[in-house]
Amino acid sequence: DIQMTQSPSSLSASSGDRVTITCRASQGIGNSVAWYQQKPGQIPKLLIFGASTLHSGVPSRFRGSGSGSEFTLTISGLQPEDVATYYCQNYNSAPPTFGQGTKVEIK
Amino acid sequence: QVNLVESGGGVVQPGRSLRLSCAASGFTFSRFGMHWVRQAPGKGLEWVAFVSYDGSNKYYGESVEGRFTISRDSPKNTVHLQMHNLTPDDTATYYCVRDIAAAGFYFDHWGQGSLVFVSS
Repeated sequence: DIQMTQSPSSLSASSGDRVTITCRASQGIGNSVAWYQQKPGQIPKLLIFGASTLHSGVPSRFRGSGSGSEFTLTISGLQPEDVATYYCQNYNSAPPTFGQGTKVEIK
Repeated sequence: QVNLVESGGGVVQPGRSLRLSCAASGFTFSRFGMHWVRQAPGKGLEWVAFVSYDGSNKYYGESVEGRFTISRDSPKNTVHLQMHNLTPDDTATYYCVRDIAAAGFYFDHWGQGSLVFVSS
């Protein structure tokens, strides 16, 4: 199985800051990465697929990049409503696997 | 709009069985693969099982292989997860999840989840 390793596991930043989350795959997976946002007490929501394509309705401050085995999710201008845990997910091959999550908080 | 509603969760003793169901609406059910993804309390997401749009292909996570069975009833727009020989490690919220397509293996719609608690 492909292992997805996220860093950091948590971070605290100020409103308006730029935040970057990294996800590393245990082997190359092309651009077959999705990112999800799970706000406290809510269900996960798809943010990005294909490593960099924003899902419908996702604000443009979210950006995904990377290919191969290293991927990043960047939030440009952190907003209070972005407080959530973010997960990367490999879908290059079965089984699909998730990173362990990165919890984002506001200072 | 897409709607996924899980049912069947609850408290169950170790070694017993439970069947989860997911009622789907708001889309052409027969065109999409369906999955179950679970989340243990305070933990991350774990993919559990997949059934293809026509029910012909099924895949399972290693931790549930041989104990869980996924199925779909297309005329009734439902997906089921039959779980046997449950252990405390199976305690989690189980989400019914729609594949982005027939078998894209990423997920664009999630149900609200059904909590399964395995305890004696």
